[in-house]
Amino acid sequence: DVKVTQSSRYLVKRTGEKVFLECVQDMDHENMFWYRQDPGLGLRLIYFSYDVKMKEKGDIPEGYSVSREKKERFSLILESASTNQTSMYLCASRGYQNTEAFFGQGTRLTVV
Amino acid sequence: AQSVTQLGSHVSVSEGALVLLRCNYSSSVPPYLFWYVQYPNQGLQLLLKYTTGATLVKGINGFEAEFKKSETSFHLTKPSAHMSDAAEYFCAVSSSGGSYIPTFGRGTSLIVHP
Repeated sequence: DVKVTQSSRYLVKRTGEKVFLECVQDMDHENMFWYRQDPGLGLRLIYFSYDVKMKEKGDIPEGYSVSREKKERFSLILESASTNQTSMYLCASRGYQNTEAFFGQGTRLTVV
Repeated sequence: AQSVTQLGSHVSVSEGALVLLRCNYSSSVPPYLFWYVQYPNQGLQLLLKYTTGATLVKGINGFEAEFKKSETSFHLTKPSAHMSDAAEYFCAVSSSGGSYIPTFGRGTSLIVHP
């Protein structure tokens, strides 16, 4: 089974802090994604990566950056957390041989 | 460009009743279509998918969906709801036109009454 692991289930951070959300997949997938989930808005794509050191902006990249130094790991960075970044963050991966994406369990981030 | 519209943010059914969750998509090229389920404070789990071939696809937990190209629809059904089906359901589309990056609908919360 594909396993996508997000480092934290719940996080509470203060406004202005630098926040790192980590995601690791164990299936050698080329593509990795970060989505943000908010009630009534569904999942919105923040960034994606199709290879090591490669990244592309999604629909809502403002206030975020990403890092992919190793194939299995994709990190989402909030340079200066703000209260409007309080949300559920979902990481996913997909191999070229797959049609569907596989999701981690999510990180619920609260910025106070 | 690709997009998904899920009709109804909440659907309420009685246990044992038919479940119907509606999804319409837009894609300029042949799409892949998916239904995912999310239980509270969990990630998304794939229920079923359509890629090519048979337009009626069966998934886990007794769910099925039918791809109707003429209606650009991919509605999710289950003949008899169970209390454990209460969850958030997401329809998604991916295609070569969108670099096979999944685009999701806004979700439908299924409520099952005893």
